[in-house]
Amino acid sequence: DIVMTQSPLYLPVTPGESASISCRSSQSLLHGNGNNYLDWYLQKPGQSPQLLIYLGSNRASGVPDRFSGSGSGTDFTLKISTVEAEDVGIYYCMQSLQLALSFGGGTKLEIK
Amino acid sequence: QLHLQESGPGLVKPSETLSLTCNVSGGTIRRSGYYWGWIRQPPGKGLEWIGSTYYSGSIYYNPSLKSRVTISVDTSKNQFSLDLTSVAAADTAVYYCARSDSSGWSLYSFDYWGQGRLVTVSS
Repeated sequence: DIVMTQSPLYLPVTPGESASISCRSSQSLLHGNGNNYLDWYLQKPGQSPQLLIYLGSNRASGVPDRFSGSGSGTDFTLKISTVEAEDVGIYYCMQSLQLALSFGGGTKLEIK
Repeated sequence: QLHLQESGPGLVKPSETLSLTCNVSGGTIRRSGYYWGWIRQPPGKGLEWIGSTYYSGSIYYNPSLKSRVTISVDTSKNQFSLDLTSVAAADTAVYYCARSDSSGWSLYSFDYWGQGRLVTVSS
């Protein structure tokens, strides 16, 4: 099974500043078709998770362009260029290269 | 706009079967290329994928739960269901239904989610 590890656990950010979350996988998520099978989700307080980024770097429909995903192989980063108050919540990465799908433990973004 | 809604008992006794249904509205469950799945989240913890089904009946299960899980689809009702047998306290969680894309060998991009159904396992 592929193990997903996120850091940091907590991320206090001042509005207007940038923020980065790291996700590492125990095996490469790069497929021979050139896609990295890595998604990012945000779970806002009291809500269901919502898709932010799929296949490593593709923003989902309706997701603001301040969110970006990068990386390849085993190391991935979610970056928020300018954090807003509405971005608080828990961010999860998920590998989708292999079944069973597996999620990282989550990174809780808080506003300072 | 696609909408998913979970329904089912919120309290299940230990050793019994947890059964939930996800009703899909605003679109057809028969749409080509999409799988329909279940993901759970114990209180205060992270996410765990349970399994997913295609409208034609092709099903993927998480190996860690496979022996206790059955996922089925009813295209006439535009819904799919989850049965989890022999439940214990560790199965207490919010259960989400969600739609995902398919890569052909796996699933990715869960783009629509239900609001979640809290199921508590307790006598």
